[in-house]
Amino acid sequence: DQQVKQNSPSLSVQEGRISILNCDYTNSMFDYFLWYKKYPAEGPTFLISISSIKDKNEDGRFTVFLNKSAKHLSLHIVPSQPGDSAVYFCAAHPQGAQKLVFGQGTRLTINP
Amino acid sequence: EAGVAQSPRYKIIEKRQSVAFWCNPISGHATLYWYQQILGQGPKLLIQFQNNGVVDDSQLPKDRFSAERLKGVDSTLKIQPAKLEDSAVYLCASSLTGGGPQHFGDGTRLSIL
Repeated sequence: DQQVKQNSPSLSVQEGRISILNCDYTNSMFDYFLWYKKYPAEGPTFLISISSIKDKNEDGRFTVFLNKSAKHLSLHIVPSQPGDSAVYFCAAHPQGAQKLVFGQGTRLTINP
Repeated sequence: EAGVAQSPRYKIIEKRQSVAFWCNPISGHATLYWYQQILGQGPKLLIQFQNNGVVDDSQLPKDRFSAERLKGVDSTLKIQPAKLEDSAVYLCASSLTGGGPQHFGDGTRLSIL
């Protein structure tokens, strides 16, 4: 059962524009969510997180929005830069557990 | 601070052979995780240690996979015998506590011929 889904395998955005990456989840018992960024041949790097009691968290060019009623979260990157080209994973932390459940990833390409 | 170290970076073996991966977490991190990432998928947790005790190994194929963290620091993950479907990147991660952000190593890419 895929509890965390990223339905877009890839996304292409022009440099300077906004990138929006989406993630849906099915389990209401997740207590916080994270986004990781992964370059080829490297491990995922933590980017930003949000608690389930919040609906927005911002860190520089990165903002994560959480819509609990829709079981949906999104990552906004603005303005997008060439160095943002990577695979982005959405992950969720189940209440009472210590593991993370990952989505399949979205490959973001920023075009000059 | 030094990151999570993993070795080897790449490994090619034939099916039915055995293989072992090594991980050294960030100093002071009590929690250590092993993930399997198959091409086109997100990382899937295989096993989680808190110090040298197993917290979650529900998704570890125990008939062929084993892992240990004897002194609560370094860890090894072993596959014996390997199957074709074990071809994946094996990622090690660590965190200060069980619920904190996880820091990943660069992984070991395993190819089974």
